[in-house]
Amino acid sequence: EPEVTQTPSHQVTQMGQEVILRCVPISNHLYFYWYRQILGQKVEFLVSFYNNEISEKSEIFDDQFSVERPDGSNFTLKIRSTKLEDSAMYFCASSVGQIETQYFGPGTRLLVL
Amino acid sequence: EDQVTQSPEALRLQEGESSSLNCSYTVSGLRGLFWYRQDPGKGPEFLFTLYSAGEEKEKERLKATLTKKESFLHITAPKPEDSATYLCAVRDNYGQNFVFGPGTRLSVLP
Repeated sequence: EPEVTQTPSHQVTQMGQEVILRCVPISNHLYFYWYRQILGQKVEFLVSFYNNEISEKSEIFDDQFSVERPDGSNFTLKIRSTKLEDSAMYFCASSVGQIETQYFGPGTRLLVL
Repeated sequence: EDQVTQSPEALRLQEGESSSLNCSYTVSGLRGLFWYRQDPGKGPEFLFTLYSAGEEKEKERLKATLTKKESFLHITAPKPEDSATYLCAVRDNYGQNFVFGPGTRLSVLP
C-alpha cells in the first residue's frame, strides 16, 4: 500500500541553524501539506502546496519557513533560522484532490537546542 | 473560525467494554470530517471520512457517525491494540487545510 515517507525521523539542531525536512508524498497525489505537533498539543496546519506553488498557509508559516518540490518526488520544508519554539513533530501529508482525504507520513521529530 | 473539540480527553476501558468518543465542531460549511488514529510518536493514520449528516462508516470494531454539529466514534468490544489517541479533523468550504481537535486518548486494559 502506498504511503508517505519522511526523512530524517529525528533531527537535532542548534538555535539559528537551517534545517530541511524531506517528504516523499504518495506518487499519484497532487496536493501536499505540512503540519506540526508540539509535544502534547494539537496537530496544526502550516502550509498546502499545489501545482508548484503555495495554495494556503497559516499564521505559523512566517518568513522563516519555505517549501519546495525540487523534483518529481520530493517535497521539502525549510526552516531558515531555527528557534527553540520550533521544536515539534513535523508531519507531511498528501491527497489526490483538494477535498480528498489527507494521508500522513510518520513525522520528523525536530529538537532545537 | 473553525473549531473542533473532543471529549472525553482520556478514556480507560476494559477489554470488551464498548463506548463512544465525541467530536463537536463549528465550521463555515462542512466539506468533510475525518477520523484518524495516532500512536505515540507516529503520524496520524486515516480511519474514516464523513461528508454529510446521517452518514455512517464502519471498519472492524469502529463505527463513525455524523450529525450537523458532532461526530461519534463508536468502539465495540475494544481490544488492547485499539489503545491510541483518536483525532478528529474538519475541513470547511473555504480552505484546504484540516483543523484538528485535541484528541481522545484511549486506553484499553486487558
